[in-house]
Amino acid sequence: QLVESGGGLVQPGGSLRLSCAASRFTFSNSWMTWVRLIPGKGLEWVANIKEDGSEKYYVDSVKGRFTISRDNAKNSLFLQMNSLTVEDTAMYYCGRGGSHDALDIWGQGTMVTVSS
Amino acid sequence: DVVMTQSPLSLPVTLGQPASISCRSSQSLLHSNGHTFLNWFHQRPGQSPRRLIYEVSNRDSGVPDRFSGSGSGSDFTLKISRVEAEDVGVYFCMQGTHWPVTFGQGTKLEIK
Repeated sequence: QLVESGGGLVQPGGSLRLSCAASRFTFSNSWMTWVRLIPGKGLEWVANIKEDGSEKYYVDSVKGRFTISRDNAKNSLFLQMNSLTVEDTAMYYCGRGGSHDALDIWGQGTMVTVSS
Repeated sequence: DVVMTQSPLSLPVTLGQPASISCRSSQSLLHSNGHTFLNWFHQRPGQSPRRLIYEVSNRDSGVPDRFSGSGSGSDFTLKISRVEAEDVGVYFCMQGTHWPVTFGQGTKLEIK
């Protein structure tokens, strides 16, 4: 099970930190991913992170602004989002897996709205 | 980036009838390791997406056998043998062979 939190309304240029709490599987053995569903546009892969945090990958549109991280001791995944723009408005989901074993488990999502 | 093109984008279906969704990629999805990383997801209204099919044709646990995936290279299909009411929602294909991972636009299935 995955449970996201941390979404909300933020002004352009602002920051948010999303969290994802994992349970009922061995978190430390799993690649993890953030995906977003952009209204009217569809799904976009945001970032993923290797089991031990040693590798991280980002889609170009968030590189340099977003940082994915994890705390295996707390079974938690994070997404630090800085310099937010209106184009970042979306429902953000965390999911288990990387690009090759993608997303067999999804969280319920947390909504991020960037607006002035 | 690999472009994933689904068709149709809207799919009205009568209960009990079959349905088929096409997903075409702008590049072959055959990975150098011999696997083809093409997945299908279903999102019911108000719910999170759920993975139905991984690596073209493998059903996830708990997915009814009326769902099947097929295809190779850059041409893939999701078929529902007999549509049930719970099948409404949006279906997405996703490729994980090439970075960045990309999704199709989504196909909205509704009951006629």
